[in-house]
Amino acid sequence: QVQLQESGPGLVKPSETLSLTCTVSGGSVSSGSYYWSWIRQPPGKGLEWIGYIYYSGSTNYNPSLKSRVTISVDTSKNQFSLKLSSVTAADTAVYYCARVSRRFYGMDVWGQGTTVTVSS
Amino acid sequence: NFMLTQPHSVSESPGKTVTISCTRSSGSIASNYVQWYQQRPGSAPTTVIYEDNQRPSGVPDRFSGSIDSSSNSASLTISGLKTEDEADYYCQSYDSSKNWVFGGGTKLTVL
Repeated sequence: QVQLQESGPGLVKPSETLSLTCTVSGGSVSSGSYYWSWIRQPPGKGLEWIGYIYYSGSTNYNPSLKSRVTISVDTSKNQFSLKLSSVTAADTAVYYCARVSRRFYGMDVWGQGTTVTVSS
Repeated sequence: NFMLTQPHSVSESPGKTVTISCTRSSGSIASNYVQWYQQRPGSAPTTVIYEDNQRPSGVPDRFSGSIDSSSNSASLTISGLKTEDEADYYCQSYDSSKNWVFGGGTKLTVL
């Protein structure tokens, strides 16, 4: 079965760039049936969609974050990545990667999540 | 764009049935699929309903989803409540640009 695992620094300084990677096992990011996404959850709050990418490299980002977000895919490593620039304390959250069905535009497999704190 | 509004919290006793609503603010609820996610404390979300009313394998048939065009809302119904069902539940859909929208989440207490 497909499993997703997030990795990256747990602490990022204000104004710097947050970088996370999601490694896919048991499946391929090159599958045409899925998008690959990032979602975050600030402490004590709800889920916020960040964006998603197709294996071809086409992307769709949350308009509220679009100016700061870059999602990329590396099919050779079976990974996809998130970069969020100019971070502030408001970007402190648990970041999840997930697989998205192209049929119903919803997540069907989630990673376990990784906590990122923005602090000096 | 539109919003999805959920009740902040619901509670019910074990063995009973509870329904959580998700109301779309504009546009038809039937125009785009609705998904439901369960998030137990300290854990990642999991999918319990997709395509309005479909259950992934492994999700008990105590979980069901529906949409109601008259109220422009989707609903998640959990019957035969168990203490393990205590969790936050989120609905999710998308707009014409394929931008996703999450509901604010509902905390289910089984007491």
